[in-house]
Amino acid sequence: GAVVSQHPSRVICKSGTSVKIECRSLDFQATTMFWYRQFPKQSLMLMATSNEGSKATYEQGVEKDKFLINHASLTLSTLTVTSAHPEDSSFYICSARDPGFGEKLFFGSGTQLSVL
Amino acid sequence: GENVEQHPSTLSVQEGDSAVIKCTYSDSASNYFPWYKQELGKRPQLIIDIRSNVGEKKDQRIAVTLNKTAKHFSLHITETQPEDSAVYFCAASTGGYGNKLVFGAGTILRVKS
Repeated sequence: GAVVSQHPSRVICKSGTSVKIECRSLDFQATTMFWYRQFPKQSLMLMATSNEGSKATYEQGVEKDKFLINHASLTLSTLTVTSAHPEDSSFYICSARDPGFGEKLFFGSGTQLSVL
Repeated sequence: GENVEQHPSTLSVQEGDSAVIKCTYSDSASNYFPWYKQELGKRPQLIIDIRSNVGEKKDQRIAVTLNKTAKHFSLHITETQPEDSAVYFCAASTGGYGNKLVFGAGTILRVKS
C-alpha cells in the first residue's frame, strides 16, 4: 500500500508552547490529507481535511485558530497545535489516499502529544 | 452527517473460534466500508474493505458482509489466533478521493489461547 510518514512520533512540551506535526506522502501525491485525533481507548475523530493550496476544512467543534493546518505542497501537510494545554494531549494521526489505490485511506504512524 | 455505530465494544473468544463485529451506518449515500485493525500505539491498518455494489468479500480468514437495505455491515474472523488481538474499527464514507471517513467506536478483540 501507499506510505504515509508522520513526524515526530512523540512530543512532550510545556503548557503554552506550540507543536508542529508533519505528514508526508512518500511515494504519491496527495492533494487532500485528513487529520484525526484519538484519545485513549477511543475512536478516531476527524479534526480537519487538509487541501493543497487552499484552506483546510475543519469539523464542527474544532478550533481552526488553535489547530493550524498548512498543506503547501502535494506531499506535505502540517498540523500546528498552538498554545498547547494539557487537554490537548492526545494521539494525532494523519491520513491520505493514493489515487493508485482508489478509496483506501492510509495512515501515518501517529504523534503522541503530551502537554505538561 | 454520517453516524457509525459499532458493537460489541469488547469481545473475548477462544483461539480457533470465530469473531463477529457489527456496524450500522446512517447515511444511505455511503458506499464504501473499510475495516481497520489497530494495535496499541500503532497506526490503523486496513484489513479489508467493501463497496456498496458488493454484498460480501473474503480474504483468507477475514470476510465482510454488507446489507445495504438495512444499512449494516459486519466483520467475520474465522479460526482466530492470538495475534488477531487488537482494536478493530469499522468506517463508512460516501466514497471519492476527498471524502472523509467516519469511524465506529471500536471493538477490543481478545483471543485467548
